[in-house]
Amino acid sequence: QVQLVESGGGGVQPGRSLRLSCAASGFTFNSHGMHWVRQAPGKGLEWVAVISNDGSIKYYADSVKGRFTISRDNSKNTLFLQMNSLRGEDTAVYYCAKPRSPGIAAAAAYWGQGTLVIVSS
Amino acid sequence: DIQMTQSPSSLSASVGDRVTITCQASQDINNYLNWYQHKPGKVPKLLIYDASNLETGVPSRFSGSGSGTDFTFTISSLQPEDIATYYCQQYDTLSMFTFGPGTKVDIK
Repeated sequence: QVQLVESGGGGVQPGRSLRLSCAASGFTFNSHGMHWVRQAPGKGLEWVAVISNDGSIKYYADSVKGRFTISRDNSKNTLFLQMNSLRGEDTAVYYCAKPRSPGIAAAAAYWGQGTLVIVSS
Repeated sequence: DIQMTQSPSSLSASVGDRVTITCQASQDINNYLNWYQHKPGKVPKLLIYDASNLETGVPSRFSGSGSGTDFTFTISSLQPEDIATYYCQQYDTLSMFTFGPGTKVDIK
């Protein structure tokens, strides 16, 4: 079955960087686009970024554009989110998610358990 | 960018009631509209994709309809386990994915 396991979260000071990972299994990783979605405390879901199956296409939410970079290593079935210049408003649970079908436009049918990022001095 | 509005922001209904949530897009998004259920402490769950298609394994009391800018999500007979926040989500080629603000559903 599909498994997505995020790691790399934790506490970090404003302005610093953090790299999240998402280990994928149970499906052909290099055939699917992948997403990052976050939820700040007491807030709703916010889509963060998406990457195509081969890594050639990447899109970002305006709130993270220029600061976050999504990438993947298909040889290791792992998705990444490099987060630079972190701000307090980036505090959230970060989920990786797999679309229900190949391609980046499909709905996110599988979700990891999430990893908590706290940005605070 | 395409903006999504949802209404109501919260609702309280009795077990067995029919519950309807609406989602409106600021521009035509064809049928690129999904609905998710999110319970506290749990992972979001896809219920409806492409406006009206029931995801595998999701109970048939959940349904979706609409196209263009106006969409509806319905629970035909509310159950206690349906307590959650429900989000619509759109996809477009410019702003990619946007979630609506959510609708919190409680049991009266």
